[in-house]
Amino acid sequence: EIVMTQSPATLSVSPGERATLSCRASQSVTSNLAWYQQKPGQAPRLLIYGASTRATGIPVRFSGSGSGTEFTLTISSLQSEDFAVYYCQQYNNWPLTFGGGTKVEIK
Amino acid sequence: EVQLLESGGDLVQPGGSLRLSCAASGFTFSSYAMSWVRQAPGKGLEWVSSISAGGGYEHHADSVKGRFTISRDKAKNTVYLQMNSLRAEDTAVYHCAKVLDNDYSFFDIWGQGTMVTVSS
Repeated sequence: EIVMTQSPATLSVSPGERATLSCRASQSVTSNLAWYQQKPGQAPRLLIYGASTRATGIPVRFSGSGSGTEFTLTISSLQSEDFAVYYCQQYNNWPLTFGGGTKVEIK
Repeated sequence: EVQLLESGGDLVQPGGSLRLSCAASGFTFSSYAMSWVRQAPGKGLEWVSSISAGGGYEHHADSVKGRFTISRDKAKNTVYLQMNSLRAEDTAVYHCAKVLDNDYSFFDIWGQGTMVTVSS
């Protein structure tokens, strides 16, 4: 099983600032990596797939990068609606696995 | 509007069984693989099971293998999760999810989820 490790667990950021979230895979997942956003009481929302492709309707301030084992989600200028938990997921191998999540909170 | 609506969650005793349903609308259900993903209270996301578009292929997490089965009914646009021999650690919100592309198992549409509580 591929283990996905996200860091940091919590990120405190002021509105308007840049946020950088990391996701590491225990073995290569090539570019088969997705990012999701989840707010309390809501279902996850797809942000990024293929490591760097924004899903339909996702603002350009969200960007993804990386390949192999190291991935990054960057939110260029945090808006109030961006404070949430973010998960990465690899879909290169079965079983599908998610990272433990990064909570982005208001500083 | 593309929508997934789960139902069937309940309080059940350890060792019991439950069947979850997920009704799909707004897209051609038979063209897409479907999955179940769960989230224990206060915890992260855990993939549970997936079924191919035609229903011929299934995958299950080791934690549920041999206890859970996934199936789908094309006529009812519904995917099911049959859960047997339930354990306390199966307590979670269960979301169904649709893949964007059948070649890649990531999820563009999620349901709000249904709560399963396993407790005596």
